[in-house]
Amino acid sequence: DTGVSQDPRHKITKRGQNVTFRCDPISEHNRLYWYRQTLGQGPEFLTYFQNEAQLEKSRLLSDRFSAERPKGSFSTLEIQRTEQGDSAMYLCASSWDDNSPLHFGNGTRLTVT
Amino acid sequence: QKEVEQNSGPLSVPEGAIASLNCTYSDRVSQSFFWYRQYSGKSPELIMSIYSNGDKEDGRFTAQLNKASQYVSLLIRDSQPSDSATYLCAVKENGNNRLAFGKGNQVVVIP
Repeated sequence: DTGVSQDPRHKITKRGQNVTFRCDPISEHNRLYWYRQTLGQGPEFLTYFQNEAQLEKSRLLSDRFSAERPKGSFSTLEIQRTEQGDSAMYLCASSWDDNSPLHFGNGTRLTVT
Repeated sequence: QKEVEQNSGPLSVPEGAIASLNCTYSDRVSQSFFWYRQYSGKSPELIMSIYSNGDKEDGRFTAQLNKASQYVSLLIRDSQPSDSATYLCAVKENGNNRLAFGKGNQVVVIP
């Protein structure tokens, strides 16, 4: 068990550019979550997958954000036309089932200049 | 009202003392409650989960849940400098699969 893996660890991009992040969950976990965290705040829910199905999306997730989990294993989160307000830590988590605790990856820190 | 509230400011405790953290939540039918520890610049790490009223102890950590009053607390006994971190309270919302987090409480253990 290598834990939840996220790539890249850091991403600096210019406003207007597109970025994509990857998450590899714990292998036997079929639930996968994306959260966003800004300084001094707790993580905010973005979206949730059960296997390959995206079952929930937060209202925080504007049309510029899209997430996929094509084969029910790894997931990608894409942000199009990035804005400075998108600067945050993007956290991926996975769990065994709906009542199990979430296990977080190390996050991807996005800075939009 | 925010779904999960952690209102107290940074908590400074001397080494060896007890640190006490509180959290209230708004969804009366929530069933699952968690405490996460987050070191600066790192991701949240699960330290306790609690599902039924009462106390749950794990090493130096004790979680307390009172569903009638809608609060959950965390006690850290014999606090160590390595306990210095932000502690996040998280509540599983009823009817969906998201975990709602409070904004966290910073704990500083003074040697």
